[in-house]
Amino acid sequence: GENVEQHPSTLSVQEGDSAVIKCTYSDSASNYFPWYKQELGKGPQLIIDIRSNVGEKKDQRIAVTLNKTAKHFSLHITETQPEDSAVYFCAATDSGAGSYQLTFGKGTKLSVIP
Amino acid sequence: KAGVTQTPRYLIKTRGQQVTLSCSPISGHRSVSWYQQTPGQGLQFLFEYFSETQRNKGNFPGRFSGRQFSNSRSEMNVSTLELGDSALYLCASSLGGRSGEQYFGPGTRLTVT
Repeated sequence: GENVEQHPSTLSVQEGDSAVIKCTYSDSASNYFPWYKQELGKGPQLIIDIRSNVGEKKDQRIAVTLNKTAKHFSLHITETQPEDSAVYFCAATDSGAGSYQLTFGKGTKLSVIP
Repeated sequence: KAGVTQTPRYLIKTRGQQVTLSCSPISGHRSVSWYQQTPGQGLQFLFEYFSETQRNKGNFPGRFSGRQFSNSRSEMNVSTLELGDSALYLCASSLGGRSGEQYFGPGTRLTVT
């Protein structure tokens, strides 16, 4: 089955700096890669996703890149703000298989220092 | 449009008991997936239901079961509770097509004593 590794497990940045979180996956059949943000006491919130036919996707201060050959994808947050502080999870799945079984990384706790 | 709702939000049970958790997906969504979240194991897939049929199942014992109703609402049941079942149980809903986008509810925090 799929295995997703996520690094780093914790990340502290100064407000206004950029943050990068990296994930690798093992199953070459995976073609859908979402990123979730989870704040304390809440469920994960889908913030951005990317499919295997796209190399990069941006949404305001958030961007995700995908390297299918190397089987890794990354989340980039620019101009970080205190409200970006949360745990971020990457995930992977083969959405074409009729299955919605997301395999998650272990998470990255991001702290943005004002 | 209302998001995914889960009830109850918090639950305390004793070892050996059973528990039923409920999930109402986003209106129009036909797929419901369940995940268990623990500090040690992270987020793990339990099962997925689409149009009242279990479409996929994760690597959990048979004590964990679920079902989906004709209105897409779903329930999961855990029988003979063990201390290790203490976790946040999350429900995610999706349209059910090939988009893959899943939206999570706030979860039910289950504590087994």
